[in-house]
Amino acid sequence: QVQLVQSGPEVRKPGASVKVSCKASGYTFTDSYIHWVRQAPGQGLEWMGWINPDSGATKFQKNFQGRVSMTRDSSITTAYMELTRLRSDDTAMYYCAKGIAEAGTWWFDPWGQGTLVTVSS
Amino acid sequence: SYELTQTPSVSVSPGQTARITCSGEKFDNKYVSWYQQRPGQSPVVVVYEDYKRPSGIPERFSGSNSGNTATLTISGTQAMDEADYYCQAWDSGVVVFGGGTKLTVL
Repeated sequence: QVQLVQSGPEVRKPGASVKVSCKASGYTFTDSYIHWVRQAPGQGLEWMGWINPDSGATKFQKNFQGRVSMTRDSSITTAYMELTRLRSDDTAMYYCAKGIAEAGTWWFDPWGQGTLVTVSS
Repeated sequence: SYELTQTPSVSVSPGQTARITCSGEKFDNKYVSWYQQRPGQSPVVVVYEDYKRPSGIPERFSGSNSGNTATLTISGTQAMDEADYYCQAWDSGVVVFGGGTKLTVL
């Protein structure tokens, strides 16, 4: 079955960087975009951007531009999200999700299990 | 930037119908998806493209979109439906989520 498995929890100090991985299986990795969404504790979902695993092209939500990068290694069907210059308000669960583009819109299925990133001094 | 507005909380008795709404501008030319997130779990899509239901999602989940409001309807609500629900749309190349609605099944 289609599955996304993310890397484990991370703890970082303010100003550091974190790189989260998302391993895809059960489908052709290069056929579907991977999106990243984060959720701060007790808060809602916030879309961060996407990567096209085929071309490597990316698009980021403007709030993250300059701090986020998304890459992939197609040989191991894994996507990565790196966030730099971490702040305490970057503490959140980070999800990857397989994007489905139909009828001029995006929706997401499935989602990874989430990676908790804690930023604390 | 584009915004989606949801009522923060909805309560329903078991067996009754729950309606969760999501409002935004120019919804008539946008498709809306809905996600269920149970505590401690990842979101799961329950409706996409306004009204379509993925395989495995019970028929009691349905969606509609009219004017500036999209609605997720849960008929015959069960205790297991207690969760947070998020609407989602796509606007000008950006994915947008609503703030979420906490559904309580009393």
